Amino acid sequence: DAGVTQSPTHLIKTRGQHVTLRCSPISGHKSVSWYQQVLGQGPQFIFQYYEKEERGRGNFPDRFSARQFPNYSSELNVNALLLGDSALYLCASRTKLAGPNTGELFFGEGSRLTVL
Amino acid sequence: GQNIDQPTEMTATEGAIVQINCTYQTSGFNGLFWYQQHAGEAPTFLSYNVLDGLEEKGRFSSFLSRSKGYSYLLLKELQMKDSASYLCAVRSLPNFGNEKLTFGTGTRLTIIP
Repeated sequence: DAGVTQSPTHLIKTRGQHVTLRCSPISGHKSVSWYQQVLGQGPQFIFQYYEKEERGRGNFPDRFSARQFPNYSSELNVNALLLGDSALYLCASRTKLAGPNTGELFFGEGSRLTVL
Repeated sequence: GQNIDQPTEMTATEGAIVQINCTYQTSGFNGLFWYQQHAGEAPTFLSYNVLDGLEEKGRFSSFLSRSKGYSYLLLKELQMKDSASYLCAVRSLPNFGNEKLTFGTGTRLTIIP
């Protein structure tokens, strides 16, 4: 079975440009979350989507936006790129919304963005 | 706010046992996760604790004390492939269905022969 897939795996942009990152969750998973991981740090929560609705947002500027499609895939968009946006962007999926008995969040391999 | 602390780096010997500690301060606590992340790869799930006590899974065990805001990951019979970063993450549920994992900076574990 395919895991969480992300594209592109690596990309280089310059300051001020825009980037779109894509994620396909595991088949049957309806919840998708995005995390930013700067080198040497733990992942930081950006967004969570479920059934095409935003369910959570982390402390990121409005330059960051996302959406979820009817097939549960998702896009993360970042406008006006800054050098500090260079990071590994991780997408994670789970079967349903979190509850007291849910556990594992499945991560994709990530999209490594370098901003020059 | 939320704060998670774990050691930055640890070194242990192949075949030995190592314990990685994690302390946290958070509101709306709803579970603590441990993930393993090899360099350049995605985090992979190791364990999940929501109640106090020890959860054992093969060579890996995780402990939680909610009253102390403390968890540890115990790795036994260490193998060279266990060299990786170990991420402690706390889940909060401020609103039903709104899930957020807050990660620590990770502990880089190096196994030496």
